[in-house]
Amino acid sequence: GAGVSQSPSNKVTEKGKDVELRCDPISGHTALYWYRQSLGQGLEFLIYFQGNSAPDKSGLPSDRFSAERTGGSVSTLTIQRTQQEDSAVYLCASSLSGMITDTQYFGPGTRLTVL
Amino acid sequence: RKEVEQDPGPFNVPEGATVAFNCTYSNSASQSFFWYRQDCRKEPKLLMSVYSSGNEDGRFTAQLNRASQYISLLIRDSKLSDSATYLCVVNRDGATNKLIFGTGTLLAVQP
Repeated sequence: GAGVSQSPSNKVTEKGKDVELRCDPISGHTALYWYRQSLGQGLEFLIYFQGNSAPDKSGLPSDRFSAERTGGSVSTLTIQRTQQEDSAVYLCASSLSGMITDTQYFGPGTRLTVL
Repeated sequence: RKEVEQDPGPFNVPEGATVAFNCTYSNSASQSFFWYRQDCRKEPKLLMSVYSSGNEDGRFTAQLNRASQYISLLIRDSKLSDSATYLCVVNRDGATNKLIFGTGTLLAVQP
């Protein structure tokens, strides 16, 4: 079946602009995660959605970052007033549920470059 | 100190060699452990979960030492196609599925 998809695959923006990144999880997966990977760094957890529960936003680096998940499926990560340090690959993952043993499947990522 | 630490490498090995990667984690509450593989400019993909009793999948063997908070991955009979970055991954705590990734170990298998 189809895997996790993300769009756009690449995004170049100017400092100070807002960007929206989209994630379509695997159909039927109730848990959705956003991570980012900066050059030479490991993946960094950003936010986690599980079903209808309030999202876990503990990894968001600043209040410029927000995310929503509509209808329990598609998610959008928004970065307002982008800064150069926001340049990274933003990866979305989904899992069947939020159980700690569930495998997370990753999308191909969105490569964000802030000029 | 990072929550998950790995030797970044690179490990340059000839085809057919056996290579081992190690990883340590700092949060004793972690309950789930994984090795992911990431090819250049691609997304991470699960290679294998790691269980306390140790587990094997073909040429790959993973082991966990909870007392030392140490995880290992052994690759036997290396193939050119094994060249990738290997990410050590643990969940943040015993109650959630938030994953903490190491920065990865780069493996380059040479012909």
